[in-house]
Amino acid sequence: NAGVTQTPKFRVLKTGQSMTLLCAQDMNHEYMYWYRQDPGMGLRLIHYSVGEGTTAKGEVPDGYNVSRLKKQNFLLGLESAAPSQTSVYFCASSSQRGGSYNEQFFGPGTRLTVL
Amino acid sequence: GNSVTQMEGPVTLSEEAFLTINCTYTATGYPSLFWYVQYPGEGLQLLLKATKADDKGSNKGFEATYRKETTSFHLEKGSVQVSDSAVYFCALSSRGTDKLIFGTGTRLQVFP
Repeated sequence: NAGVTQTPKFRVLKTGQSMTLLCAQDMNHEYMYWYRQDPGMGLRLIHYSVGEGTTAKGEVPDGYNVSRLKKQNFLLGLESAAPSQTSVYFCASSSQRGGSYNEQFFGPGTRLTVL
Repeated sequence: GNSVTQMEGPVTLSEEAFLTINCTYTATGYPSLFWYVQYPGEGLQLLLKATKADDKGSNKGFEATYRKETTSFHLEKGSVQVSDSAVYFCALSSRGTDKLIFGTGTRLQVFP
């Protein structure tokens, strides 16, 4: 199993450009998440999905959109990139609800720079 | 709201030294607690977990005990190795939610 994969690994954008980050998982997990990681701030949740066709906002959703058309894929879109969106983006998936147990499996990350 | 506070790094140790990384939390009810590790250039991996008070999670020589009275979940290892160099994240998950709340991470550097 590949686990959680992300494409691309690196990307440089100019301000105002758009792009889509792709996350794929082969573990048949119901739940998928997009985080951004910034120095000194840990991981912050952007959007998440609790099943195919569903999405929900996380802690920092502004400037991002997501779609979950297939269970195994979770797409993160930036419609008009801004320098403040320079970050490392991680996708994760999990098979159980939060509460007593909630192990999330992470992809390797996408490093995005917006000039 | 719920939050996690970790000691700031970097923590710099010599090989075979004792490691403690402090983590305290604020949460309503009885959250589950986790330590994740991020090796250079990789995503996060679950290191250990504890789901109720006084539980001890352990893995790869690392341990952490869920202390409800002090709202803490400190990570310890008796003898660190160079290969333990990584960023360590404490996290919590409240019952009935689908989300993890992470601390800011603590970088550990181990020198031979």
